[in-house]
Amino acid sequence: AQSVAQPEDQVNVAEGNPLTVKCTYSVSGNPYLFWYVQYPNRGLQFLLKYITGDNLVKGSYGFEAEFNKSQTSFHLKKPSALVSDSALYFCAVKGPNSGYSTLTFGKGTMLLVSP
Amino acid sequence: DAEITQSPRHKITETGRQVTLACHQTWNHNNMFWYRQDLGHGLRLIHYSYGVQDTNKGEVSDGYSVSRSNTEDLPLTLESAASSQTSVYFCASSDVGRDEQYFGPGTRLTVT
Repeated sequence: AQSVAQPEDQVNVAEGNPLTVKCTYSVSGNPYLFWYVQYPNRGLQFLLKYITGDNLVKGSYGFEAEFNKSQTSFHLKKPSALVSDSALYFCAVKGPNSGYSTLTFGKGTMLLVSP
Repeated sequence: DAEITQSPRHKITETGRQVTLACHQTWNHNNMFWYRQDLGHGLRLIHYSYGVQDTNKGEVSDGYSVSRSNTEDLPLTLESAASSQTSVYFCASSDVGRDEQYFGPGTRLTVT
């Protein structure tokens, strides 16, 4: 079975500082990995995905994520946080042999960026 | 612009009543999904469909049903609502061969 862990319920960072939101995964075979963001009272929005290739994936709004196979991690990063980045972030995984297109989501990490 | 909509956005119902939540997408996506979002659990998959007349159970399907009579719609029915089904429900869709899903705005359901 595939699973995702987001070890931090909340991450606090000051505006202008770099941010990291952590994600580790468990899946048989090569993973397909995703990050989504949810703003208050909204649905989830797709940020970026890793399928294969370069371990550093760039996505929307200046976010990027680093795939590390040996550590089974896919951490979300941004060089300089904005107050408007404050939101709930979800990591998701799909294994190559899992149900076609079904994703397993983590529990989410709340990112709070202070001015 | 293509979009995915859900209705109602808020619903309060009583225990034991049947409730149907609507999901409509204009992306022309074959794949559609229903999730529930609960604090401490993240998103959990309820049902999904890969096309017309196709439906599949997800992780937490007990007490829920779906039907797919056309490409655009995947209504979610709670046969007999229970307080444990108080949650925020999200519908999503994705295109064939692509894994990123597009989400609707959600329906907040309260079962009293």
